Amino acid sequence: DTAVSQTPKYLVTQMGNDKSIKCEQNLGHDTMYWYKQDSKKFLKIMFSYNNKELIINETVPNRFSPKSPDKAHLNLHINSLELGDSAVYFCASSQATSSRGELFFGEGSRLTVL
Amino acid sequence: GDSVTQMEGPVTLSEEAFLTINCTYTATGYPSLFWYVQYPGEGLQLLLKATKADDKGSNKGFEATYRKETTSFHLEKGSVQVSDSAVYFCALTGFQKLVFGTGTRLLVSP
Repeated sequence: DTAVSQTPKYLVTQMGNDKSIKCEQNLGHDTMYWYKQDSKKFLKIMFSYNNKELIINETVPNRFSPKSPDKAHLNLHINSLELGDSAVYFCASSQATSSRGELFFGEGSRLTVL
Repeated sequence: GDSVTQMEGPVTLSEEAFLTINCTYTATGYPSLFWYVQYPGEGLQLLLKATKADDKGSNKGFEATYRKETTSFHLEKGSVQVSDSAVYFCALTGFQKLVFGTGTRLLVSP
């Protein structure tokens, strides 16, 4: 069983569209994250949720809205997609909010905006 | 704020060569330090970690020692393999999150 799974793995869409990426973890972790990785492999945190509550929001445009229906799921919805949103989006989870423990990453969702 | 600086890549080596990837950090307090590896088309996975000064993390032949006096956590391996080709990320525990370096690509040729 995949510990952290994301869908879809690939997403190609037009500018202006709205899209969602889903993430689920079966590790029983309390904290989940969304990271964005650009074309140069730079990895930047976007959001973090602990037990369904938002704890980190790193100056991400309002077009990005995370939703955590329960502590095993953290979805990312993006409105009015722009060319600069093209990236690989990684979901991750960890046992503790302070990240003293290991982060477990999904395989990534590659978003291409045309 | 907390930050991690890694050497620019790519690092290109022949099989069985010695590897060093430099990592230095800036942090308040005493963070834990990590190396993550990303193989092509995959997510990041933890390679090794160290939680306090002078600790040595090791895994799969890779090692890194937490050096508080030089604020460094350099990754080393005595003999690299083609299968080690990947992007390596140094990271530290910031406030409620991991802070990653920019990643260093390693290319190992036969």
